[in-house]
Amino acid sequence: DAGITQSPRYKITETGRQVTLMCHQTWSHSYMFWYRQDLGHGLRLIYYSAAADITDKGEVPDGYVVSRSKTENFPLTLESATRSQTSVYFCASSEVRTGGYEQYFGPGTRLTVT
Amino acid sequence: AQSVAQPEDQVNVAEGNPLTVKCTYSVSGNPYLFWYVQYPNRGLQFLLKYITGDNLVKGSYGFEAEFNKSQTSFHLKKPSALVSDSALYFCAVRDQASGTYKYIFGTGTRLKVLA
Repeated sequence: DAGITQSPRYKITETGRQVTLMCHQTWSHSYMFWYRQDLGHGLRLIYYSAAADITDKGEVPDGYVVSRSKTENFPLTLESATRSQTSVYFCASSEVRTGGYEQYFGPGTRLTVT
Repeated sequence: AQSVAQPEDQVNVAEGNPLTVKCTYSVSGNPYLFWYVQYPNRGLQFLLKYITGDNLVKGSYGFEAEFNKSQTSFHLKKPSALVSDSALYFCAVRDQASGTYKYIFGTGTRLKVLA
């Protein structure tokens, strides 16, 4: 049972480069989320998706793009990376149709923008 | 505005003593409340939730939480702390006003259990 995976686990990139973080879940959960975790801010929602081809902005969407063409994948793209996007990024999924509601998180991607 | 607050950045407790990690919320309607735990260099793990029903909710690893509607609180508790409980704990609430199943997280409370 693979659950939810993220790749890469660690990434160093330069300012201005495009970076894509991958997220894959094997449960066919309807909802998927991207968060960033920074000291003093807890988890902040970047984007979320209620189903394939349905995405919406969260609290801090600027500079990020998402897509969800398949239920199991939810990639996050930084179009032109900035130092302020240095963070740990978590992907999560949840299933609301069966009344679960709790989220299951991936292991995270530590991104450093130099 | 929908919000959740964890008023303590850190809680220290001696091993074997009871522990409480506090969470208060502000949402419209009936809240969906959650606790998660994060160990170093790991993703968050679900501990327990309150959606409806009994105010005392039991979860993983011996943790429980009490939903108190009048005080708008959902404090996490454990009768006897273990050193292995040391971690970062997050409270979360569903963003009811959005009409979706997205959530608002608190800033986290670091629990240190001292041997």
